[in-house]
Amino acid sequence: EPEVTQTPSHQVTQMGQEVILRCVPISNHLYFYWYRQILGQKVEFLVSFYNNEISEKSEIFDDQFSVERPDGSNFTLKIRSTKLEDSAMYFCASTAGPTEAFFGQGTRLTVV
Amino acid sequence: AQSVTQPDIHITVSEGASLELRCNYSYGATPYLFWYVQSPGQGLQLLLKYFSGDTLVQGIKGFEAEFKRSQSSFNLRKPSVHWSDAAEYFCAVGPAGAGSYQLTFGKGTKLSVIP
Repeated sequence: EPEVTQTPSHQVTQMGQEVILRCVPISNHLYFYWYRQILGQKVEFLVSFYNNEISEKSEIFDDQFSVERPDGSNFTLKIRSTKLEDSAMYFCASTAGPTEAFFGQGTRLTVV
Repeated sequence: AQSVTQPDIHITVSEGASLELRCNYSYGATPYLFWYVQSPGQGLQLLLKYFSGDTLVQGIKGFEAEFKRSQSSFNLRKPSVHWSDAAEYFCAVGPAGAGSYQLTFGKGTKLSVIP
C-alpha cells in the first residue's frame, strides 16, 4: 500500500538554527500538507500546497516557515530560525483530491 | 470557521465492553468527516470517513460511525473493545468543495483499555 514517508523521524536542533523536514508524498497525489502537533495538543493545519504553490496557510505559518517541492517527489518544510515553541511533531499529508488525507509517521522536532 | 469538539479527553473501558467516542462539529455546509487513530509515537491512521450517502459508515478494526446532521455529530462506536484499541482518537472535518482540503481536528480522546 502506498504511504507518505517522512525523514528524519526525530531531529534535535538549537534555537535559532534552520531545519528542513522532508516528506515524500504518495506519487499520484496532487495536494500536499503540513500539520503540527505540539505535545498534548491537537493536530493543527499549517499549510497546503497545490500546483507548485501554497493554496492555503494558517496563522501559524508565518515568515519563518516555507515549503518547497524541489523535485517531482519531495515536499519540504523549512523553519528558518527555530524557536523553543516550534518543538512539536510535524506531519506531512497528501491527498488525490477531495478524499481522505494520508499522513506520514511524523518528524518529532525538539528545539533546545 | 469550522471547529470540532471532542468533549471527552480521556475514556477508560474494560476489554470487551462497547465504546462510543463523541464528536461534534461546526461547519457552514455539509463537511467531509473523518476519524483518525494515533498510537503512541505513531502517525495518524484513518479509521473511517463520511463523504455522502449512508450515514452509518464502517471502518477498519471493527469501528463504525454515524453522521447525524441534526445534531452535527459524528460519533465513533465499537461493540467490543480490544486491548490493542488503546490509543488516541481524533475526529476531523474537511471542506466538501473544490480547493484545498485541509482538515480541522478535534483535541482528541485518549482511550485506555482495562484487561
